[in-house]
Amino acid sequence: DAGITQSPRYKITETGRQVTLMCHQTWSHSYMFWYRQDLGHGLRLIYYSAAADITDKGEVPDGYVVSRSKTENFPLTLESATRSQTSVYFCASTSVAGVGYNEQFFGPGTRLTVL
Amino acid sequence: AQSVTQPDIHITVSEGASLELRCNYSYGATPYLFWYVQSPGQGLQLLLKYFSGDTLVQGIKGFEAEFKRSQSSFNLRKPSVHWSDAAEYFCAVGGGNNDMRFGAGTRLTVKP
Repeated sequence: DAGITQSPRYKITETGRQVTLMCHQTWSHSYMFWYRQDLGHGLRLIYYSAAADITDKGEVPDGYVVSRSKTENFPLTLESATRSQTSVYFCASTSVAGVGYNEQFFGPGTRLTVL
Repeated sequence: AQSVTQPDIHITVSEGASLELRCNYSYGATPYLFWYVQSPGQGLQLLLKYFSGDTLVQGIKGFEAEFKRSQSSFNLRKPSVHWSDAAEYFCAVGGGNNDMRFGAGTRLTVKP
């Protein structure tokens, strides 16, 4: 089906483990984003990518790594998970240049719990 | 960087009543303003956006918002709320600095 998907939808892990959250979109959108959603903070941008092999930091990048070898995929890795990274993670994409200008299309989210 | 304030964390309205959700932004240049809705367990969906022109913008599901530059506000309104409108609502501001900031959200409860 066309759209933006995330996997897994739910994940429980332990402190210190590496975790990778997957994001896949079928629209060939050039821009992709990772946000975390926390109570009282709304959505905060972790990383974004303007195209394959081009990534940049957002507001809260520490502790996260991204890559984008293919346009349609944008995985987010927590190299050594901490309890403060317990959150709901959303992937989003948009087709037009300019992070600040355009509607973003969101995936359903991944709820990550770090014990 | 720009910022967004949604003063109301939680609002409860009766079905059929009117609704206004507040959003105040801070940005030194021309803002690009958005309202998104998040239903439980779902991602965000765009309700409406303002870039320029008419300061009253219409969106999906009967929502509208008014941009008031003098008040740095972009409040969301609906004349008659339906039970299906219960959700979390996010205001966002973007612009030419390659950044988009979201507010903390307002949770809407609809009483029967």
